[in-house]
Amino acid sequence: DAGVTQSPTHLIKTRGQHVTLRCSPISGHKSVSWYQQVLGQGPQFIFQYYEKEERGRGNFPDRFSARQFPNYSSELNVNALLLGDSALYLCASSLLLEQPQHFGDGTRLSIL
Amino acid sequence: ELKVEQNPLFLSMQEGKNYTIYCNYSTTSDRLYWYRQDPGKSLESLFVLLSNGAVKQEGRLMASLDTKARLSTLHITAAVHDLSATYFCAVDFTLNEKLTFGTGTRLTIIP
Repeated sequence: DAGVTQSPTHLIKTRGQHVTLRCSPISGHKSVSWYQQVLGQGPQFIFQYYEKEERGRGNFPDRFSARQFPNYSSELNVNALLLGDSALYLCASSLLLEQPQHFGDGTRLSIL
Repeated sequence: ELKVEQNPLFLSMQEGKNYTIYCNYSTTSDRLYWYRQDPGKSLESLFVLLSNGAVKQEGRLMASLDTKARLSTLHITAAVHDLSATYFCAVDFTLNEKLTFGTGTRLTIIP
């Protein structure tokens, strides 16, 4: 079975641009979460969606937004990119609350 | 403030030795996860601990949870080189899958 898939794998942008990252959860998983991992640190929670509804939001500015589609895939959008947005963006999906979240390979975003 | 702290941050140990990584967290929770991350890779789930006194073992790794002490441990027995990685603990404080991760412990096993 396919795991969590993310695209693109790598992305290079310049300051002020906009970016869209995509995630497909494991088949049957209805919950999708997004995390930002800056080099040398642990992942930081950005958003969680379940059944297309936002269920949680971390301490990130309004430049960050997300949505979940009827097929449970998800997009993370970041506007007005800053150098500090350079990070590995991880998507995770889960089946039930008591099950571990399964992480995708991430999108490595570099801002020049 | 919801905080998760791990120690040590860096650990270099010889093959065949035993060691323990500690994960302390700031507020009551009985939902804790351990993940492994290899350089440039994503996170691999190792253990899910859902109650006080929970103990899970897989190969040379054993994890436990003491919710009263707000402490989890990851014990490594007779370390081998393949265990070299960064290990994260993560706590679900709000029971809605919003994970708060620790700082990570970078483990290096020396032959």
